[in-house]
Amino acid sequence: NAGVTQTPKFRVLKTGQSMTLLCAQDMNHEYMYWYRQDPGMGLRLIHYSVGEGTTAKGEVPDGYNVSRLKKQNFLLGLESAAPSQTSVYFCASSRLWTASEAFFGQGTRLTVV
Amino acid sequence: DQQVKQNSPSLSVQEGRISILNCDYTNSMFDYFLWYKKYPAEGPTFLISISSIKDKNEDGRFTVFLNKSAKHLSLHIVPSQPGDSAVYFCAASEGNTPLVFGKGTRLSVIA
Repeated sequence: NAGVTQTPKFRVLKTGQSMTLLCAQDMNHEYMYWYRQDPGMGLRLIHYSVGEGTTAKGEVPDGYNVSRLKKQNFLLGLESAAPSQTSVYFCASSRLWTASEAFFGQGTRLTVV
Repeated sequence: DQQVKQNSPSLSVQEGRISILNCDYTNSMFDYFLWYKKYPAEGPTFLISISSIKDKNEDGRFTVFLNKSAKHLSLHIVPSQPGDSAVYFCAASEGNTPLVFGKGTRLSVIA
């Protein structure tokens, strides 16, 4: 029972490079989320999805794009990485909005130099 | 504008004593509240939750109290253990909206 798996776990990018973070969940959850965690800032929502083929903006969506082509996968893309995107990224999934808790992946530590 | 506030960045408690972590919120429409625990290099894990129709929820050593009039909730850990040392995030949601998290409180339980 893997739960929520994020790939990769670590990555260093040069400014202007692009990359995609992959999130996969095996719990058949409808809802998936991407958060970033920065020192002193807590967890801030980047984008989320309420089901296959849907995406929506969260609190800090600028500079990121997402796709949910399959129910179990939620991809986060950075088209042109900036140093301000250096952060730890967490993917999460949940069965319902609030009646059930969200399950988080282990995180991806991204450094943009 | 921060809707969920954890005003204490850190807290130190002796093993065996009570740990009290506090959380304040500004959105009176929040109807569900959760606490998450996070160890270094791991993702947050769900700890305990409470609906706005209740004022207390208990699960073993963990109890969450909700005071809606004060827009305040707290997490009590009794007795505190060294393994409880972690960052604790308070989170809240309103209807069909994603969770909003506080900045977290780092709890250190000293043996």
